[in-house]
Amino acid sequence: KQEVTQIPAALSVPEGENLVLNCSFTDSAIYNLQWFRQDPGKGLTSLLLIQSSQREQTSGRLNASLDKSSGRSTLYIAASQPGDSATYLCAVSGSARQLTFGSGTQLTVLP
Amino acid sequence: DVKVTQSSRYLVKRTGEKVFLECVQDMDHENMFWYRQDPGLGLRLIYFSYDVKMKEKGDIPEGYSVSREKKERFSLILESASTNQTSMYLCASSSTSEAFFGQGTRLTVV
Repeated sequence: KQEVTQIPAALSVPEGENLVLNCSFTDSAIYNLQWFRQDPGKGLTSLLLIQSSQREQTSGRLNASLDKSSGRSTLYIAASQPGDSATYLCAVSGSARQLTFGSGTQLTVLP
Repeated sequence: DVKVTQSSRYLVKRTGEKVFLECVQDMDHENMFWYRQDPGLGLRLIYFSYDVKMKEKGDIPEGYSVSREKKERFSLILESASTNQTSMYLCASSSTSEAFFGQGTRLTVV
């Protein structure tokens, strides 16, 4: 059964810092990996989708990489801002089409 | 703009009531999902559907059922609500790739 782990569970950084969030998964037979953002009490907002054949995706200050063979993905956030404070979740999709989620990293960016 | 809409943001129900949570998507997606999210337990899959009238059990289907009579609508049913079903419920839809989520329904069973 696929298991997804996110480290660290919580992270606090001063505004302007670049940071990296980590995600690892146990079964490399994935179709894609997706990073989400969740604000308190809200639903999930899709940030980046990486297909299994891709190595990375970029959107603005966000860059996500995927190393399928080692079962790892990273989300890089450049020049962090207080508005980036949220919980970040990664999820992998397998042949059964369902997403398996990590437990998330709670990010706080201090002004 | 893609959209997944859940019928209620907040819901309070009594123990033993039958509860319906509705989810509608406007993207013509084949796949739809219901998750619940609890502190310390993360997101857990309750049921999913990959076609009209098709349904598959997820990791925690006990106490729930689902209905998908039309492609755009996926309903989660709590047959007899219990206090341990107090949770945040999240609906999602996807095609072959990206998944999109609704805004969530915070259900409290008293």
